[in-house]
Amino acid sequence: AQSVTQPDIHITVSEGASLELRCNYSYGATPYLFWYVQTPGQGLQLLLKYFSGDTLVQGIKGFEAEFKRSQSSFNLRKPSVHWSDAAEYFCAVAPASGSARQLTFGSGTQLTVLP
Amino acid sequence: DTAVSQTPKYLVTQMGNDKSIKCEQNLGHDTMYWYKQDSKKFLKIMFSYNNKELIINETVPNRFSPKSPDKAHLNLHINSLELGDSAVYFCASTRLAGGTGELFFGEGSRLTVL
Repeated sequence: AQSVTQPDIHITVSEGASLELRCNYSYGATPYLFWYVQTPGQGLQLLLKYFSGDTLVQGIKGFEAEFKRSQSSFNLRKPSVHWSDAAEYFCAVAPASGSARQLTFGSGTQLTVLP
Repeated sequence: DTAVSQTPKYLVTQMGNDKSIKCEQNLGHDTMYWYKQDSKKFLKIMFSYNNKELIINETVPNRFSPKSPDKAHLNLHINSLELGDSAVYFCASTRLAGGTGELFFGEGSRLTVL
């Protein structure tokens, strides 16, 4: 069964500082990988996704993530955080094939941005 | 024009009552999902329908009954509500056939059981 681990429950950074949110997955083959962001009272918005090819993927709002097969990781990064980035971030994994394309989410990382 | 819309956004009710949450997507997707987000923000899949057929049915009490009248709609009916049912319920959709794998989520329906 697939699983996702986000080891950091809560991260606090200052505005303008760099950010890295960790994500490790467990899956028998290379899965599809996603990062979603949830702001208070809102649904989940896709930041970026990895299916295949270039292991460094660019997303919206200046985010990027790097797939490292050897480490089973898909960490999210941003070089300079803005106050509006404060939110809950979820890493997710889905099988690359199959009839259901079921997303399994990590437990989330809450990001606080200090002025 | 909202892509995935859920109603109601907020629902407060007493234990033992029956309630429904509705979801509609206008993206032309063939697959829809219900996820439950608990108080610790953990998201867990409950059900999925593909072209109106149930394809995912996780370990969910029988009190929860999804219904998909057509590809654009997936409703969730809950009987005999319990305190533990309090959560935010998210509807999502995607295109399985030839799609990108991305799920599009609604804004969630916060259910509070008193």
